[in-house]
Amino acid sequence: DAGVTQSPTHLIKTRGQQVTLRCSPKSGHDTVSWYQQALGQGPQFIFQYYEEEERQRGNFPDRFSGHQFPNYSSELNVNALLLGDSALYLCASSNTLRREEDAYGYTFGSGTRLTVV
Amino acid sequence: GDSVTQMEGPVTLSEEAFLTINCTYTATGYPSLFWYVQYPGEGLQLLLKATKADDKGSNKGFEATYRKETTSFHLEKGSVQVSDSAVYFCALSERGAQKLVFGQGTRLTINP
Repeated sequence: DAGVTQSPTHLIKTRGQQVTLRCSPKSGHDTVSWYQQALGQGPQFIFQYYEEEERQRGNFPDRFSGHQFPNYSSELNVNALLLGDSALYLCASSNTLRREEDAYGYTFGSGTRLTVV
Repeated sequence: GDSVTQMEGPVTLSEEAFLTINCTYTATGYPSLFWYVQYPGEGLQLLLKATKADDKGSNKGFEATYRKETTSFHLEKGSVQVSDSAVYFCALSERGAQKLVFGQGTRLTINP
């Protein structure tokens, strides 16, 4: 059973450019969340998608946007990249209807390492 | 808002030593509590979890008990191995919320 798959694994972009990161959730999961993990820090919640809509958003600017497709996969887009956007971007999936039995936990992918130069 | 505070790292121990990593939390409701582990160059793996007061989560020799009275979820292991070297994150998830709130992480290094 495949877990959460993220692509690409590494990416280097120039300041001001735009980037798209991709995530395929674990089989049986319908909800995708995105987190940003700066070096030496804990992950910070960016937003969550369910039923192709953004359900909740963390404290991130509008330069960060996303999308969820009918097959539950998701994209994270970041416009006008800043040096401070360099981080590991983690995708986490869950099943909304099974949240309680899953103890409200999530399954994480290995992440995309974004470097902005 | 909700928050998680972990003991400052890095923590360096010898193999077979006893491990404790402290974690305390602030939450408005009754959250589920988690420990995640991150090995070098990888994403997060769930290590253990607890959903209510006095629950004990355990996995791979690690244990943590949900203490509501002290709002704590300290991670312990009786005898660590070199392979336990990683970064450990304490986190909480509120029932009505859609996100995990993480601590800053504790880097653990075990020397042979």
